[in-house]
Amino acid sequence: AQSVTQPDIHITVSEGASLELRCNYSYGATPYLFWYVQSPGQGLQLLLKYFSGDTLVQGIKGFEAEFKRSQSSFNLRKPSVHWSDAAEYFCAVGNKAAGNKLTFGGGTRVLVKP
Amino acid sequence: GAVVSQHPSWVICKSGTSVKIECRSLDFQATTMFWYRQFPKKSLMLMATSNEGSKATYEQGVEKDKFLINHASLTLSTLTVTSAHPEDSSFYICSANEGTSTAKNIQYFGAGTRLSVL
Repeated sequence: AQSVTQPDIHITVSEGASLELRCNYSYGATPYLFWYVQSPGQGLQLLLKYFSGDTLVQGIKGFEAEFKRSQSSFNLRKPSVHWSDAAEYFCAVGNKAAGNKLTFGGGTRVLVKP
Repeated sequence: GAVVSQHPSWVICKSGTSVKIECRSLDFQATTMFWYRQFPKKSLMLMATSNEGSKATYEQGVEKDKFLINHASLTLSTLTVTSAHPEDSSFYICSANEGTSTAKNIQYFGAGTRLSVL
């Protein structure tokens, strides 16, 4: 079975500062990994994905994530946060054997201070 | 990018009535659609997976007779909450997957439907 843990429930960051959101997964083989962002009352928007290949993936809105197999992690980073980045961020894991179903982490709420 | 439309965005209904939520892939054909439920300040819980032309596969603990899912075409799936009760009030989100190949194995999400049962 696959699972995802996002250790941080809330993170507060100042505008312009860097941001890192942690994600740890559990799955025996190489998983499919995703980061989604959700604004209040909205659906989820895909930020980036990892299937294979280069372990550092670039996404939209200036986000990037790095797949580290040895640490079972897929942390999301952004060098300089904008006020519009305040939202809920979800890490998700999937795999073909599970019919491409996604398992989501509990989410991390990001607050941006002016 | 791929767009998924979900309708309605918000619905209020009386207890005992049924509510239908539509999920459409606008610019691609969705081989698989997923329905999720999200409680306030919580993560997404997968309810069921539907493939066009076949019966939906429900996750453990989800009542298939209460949450009817129909995937009549490659661009439309519907979720009907039958005999809704206040405890069914929630945020329901659908997603659509373009294919099973790695390149297309991405779920695109609708904007969600907030259901309030009085």
